[in-house]
Amino acid sequence: EVQLVQSGAEVKKPGESLKISCKGSGFTFTNYWIAWVRQMPGKGLEWMGIIHAAGSDTRYSQSFQGQVTISADKSISTAYLQWSSLEASDTAMYYCARQAGFCSGGNCYLDYWGQGTLVTVSS
Amino acid sequence: QSVLTQPPSVSAAPGQKVTISCSGSSSNIGNNYVSWYQQLPGTAPKLLIYENNKRPSGIPDRISGSKTGTSVTLGITGLQTGDEADYYCGTWDSSLSAGVFGGGTKLTVL
Repeated sequence: EVQLVQSGAEVKKPGESLKISCKGSGFTFTNYWIAWVRQMPGKGLEWMGIIHAAGSDTRYSQSFQGQVTISADKSISTAYLQWSSLEASDTAMYYCARQAGFCSGGNCYLDYWGQGTLVTVSS
Repeated sequence: QSVLTQPPSVSAAPGQKVTISCSGSSSNIGNNYVSWYQQLPGTAPKLLIYENNKRPSGIPDRISGSKTGTSVTLGITGLQTGDEADYYCGTWDSSLSAGVFGGGTKLTVL
């Protein structure tokens, strides 16, 4: 059974750093891209970026380039999303998802999703 | 402002049919495949449709997708109260080199 299990909820103060995780199982992790999606309170889905789990190939949405870092450790089938200095506006639910298809060929979709990690940034 | 445009809300009675539209441009919907996601309250999104009109295993055939030019439509027949959720279209945008979603549509089953 394909599963993506994310780390637990976090409460942080502005200016603090944070790294959340997404562990895959039930599939060959290194064969897929893993995406991160943000959902701010009461708002819609925003595509943040993707990483190919086999290596370091990473793509970011312009809105998130330079704001977050996406990484992966293939030895433990885990992808990460990290911030060096959180802001209150980073308060949101963050989802990881497995990307199927080939985006460069115009065909990509998110077929399995993690349960989400709620990040709250407040002083 | 989302790259893909969806109506904020739609509603219909149980047993009826509803359609949800999603419009874009040649850099996204017009030249790439589209997927649809259902997000029930308090849960993670779930894939409903991929490659414009294909259903993953376990998705009933009362769910359908279609595409015409730079617009796509999600159709749900035989509406049930359990279908009340937010629905999102998504695709790749070749100009942005990024994935994009619609703003979401809240379905109410009256």
